[in-house]
Parts: sequence; structure tokens; C-alpha cells
Amino acid sequence: SQQGEEDPQALSIQEGENATMNCSYKTSINNLQWYRQNSGRGLVHLILIRSNEREKHSGRLRVTLDTSKKSSSLLITASRAADTASYFCATDNLNEKLTFGTGTRLTIIP
Amino acid sequence: GAGVSQSPSNKVTEKGKDVELRCDPISGHTALYWYRQSLGQGLEFLIYFQGNSAPDKSGLPSDRFSAERTGGSVSTLTIQRTQQEDSAVYLCASSSTRVGEQYFGPGTRLTVT
Repeated sequence: SQQGEEDPQALSIQEGENATMNCSYKTSINNLQWYRQNSGRGLVHLILIRSNEREKHSGRLRVTLDTSKKSSSLLITASRAADTASYFCATDNLNEKLTFGTGTRLTIIP
Repeated sequence: GAGVSQSPSNKVTEKGKDVELRCDPISGHTALYWYRQSLGQGLEFLIYFQGNSAPDKSGLPSDRFSAERTGGSVSTLTIQRTQQEDSAVYLCASSSTRVGEQYFGPGTRLTVT
């Protein structure tokens, strides 16, 4: 079963707008990570947030984590065409493995 | 330095044949993972190697799937008697820490005809 579920499944926005994706999970975690995947091949790590952190920034990325609601959000500000990709959350649920969600397909319209 | 590499990048095989997929992790990474991704889906965990410990095989979908990691480095995923439902992209990842950031290879796209 999927630990992480992203919402929405697909998102299309105009270039320059902000994009927000959400992830919900079911069990306690050590950390939550976000990855990007272009063209259905290898994933690229974006950011890791630990269970005792509430917010983290990296460049145009902002991640929040609410462990009481078992949810996380990824915000991409000032989107660019190159941000078009699928985005996955992944949770470390204390068993030394990451469990990936089903992903959000983001399309940036130039 | 070099990233994770996988070979072949694409593999087309006939139903019933065996296939071997190879993964070369980043040098020094003790953790190595195999995942499977069907079209438009998320990643399905298959198997996990950590150092010299016994691998976690809990994600392997059937006994037709097996994997080994020789010398703590290169790994091979073997699928015997392939079926059409085995068609997917097989991704390998390595990590220097337990459940830290994972570095992914470009994947092997397997098509079973």
C-alpha cells in the first residue's frame, strides 16, 4: 500500500506562478523527502525534512511538514518551464526504506 | 564524481526469457535499492542492500525475481521466465546513509513482448 499520497495528481500553471503540491502519509516517520522525475527516468533528490522540523527552504523550494496531520507540502515559487516534471514525496517510516507516493505531474505553461 | 549507472538502458525480451539488469552505485555508498515503476505510477520497492547485512527482499513480487550485490558494489537484478506484467522501468538508487538522500540511476526500461 502507498504510504504517501500526493495531491493533486496533475497540476498545470502559467510560468511565473507558484505551484503547491501536497503529500499525506499514514504512519510515523523519521524524515520526509521530495524528489523530481523528468521523462519517467531517474529521480533527483530535492529536499529532506526531518520529523522535528516544520519548514525548510532550498532556493525556490519551500517544504512544510505537519506531523500532527501527517502531511507535507512542496511550494515552488516563480515557476519556470524547466520545472515541468513529476514530483514525489517519500517517507522513511522507521524501517530503513523509503516509501514513495504516486506523484504529482506538474506542467508549466510558457 | 560518477553517478549511479544502469545497464542496459532499454531491454526488449520475449515472454518466458530471463533478463539481468545491472546497477553500478556511487563508490562508497553502502546502501543500494531496487525499485520498479510502471507507466504513470509511483515507485514500488523491490529489494534493499545495506553493507554486509542480509538484504531486505520484502518487496520482491514473486520468486522469479532475485538480486545480488557482489563485493558490496555492483548489483544485478534477475527476472526469470519474464511475463508481460514485468514490463516497467527498473530503477536503482544508492545512498551513503540509512534512509538519507538517495541517488538514482537513469533506469532500465524493460519491455516483455
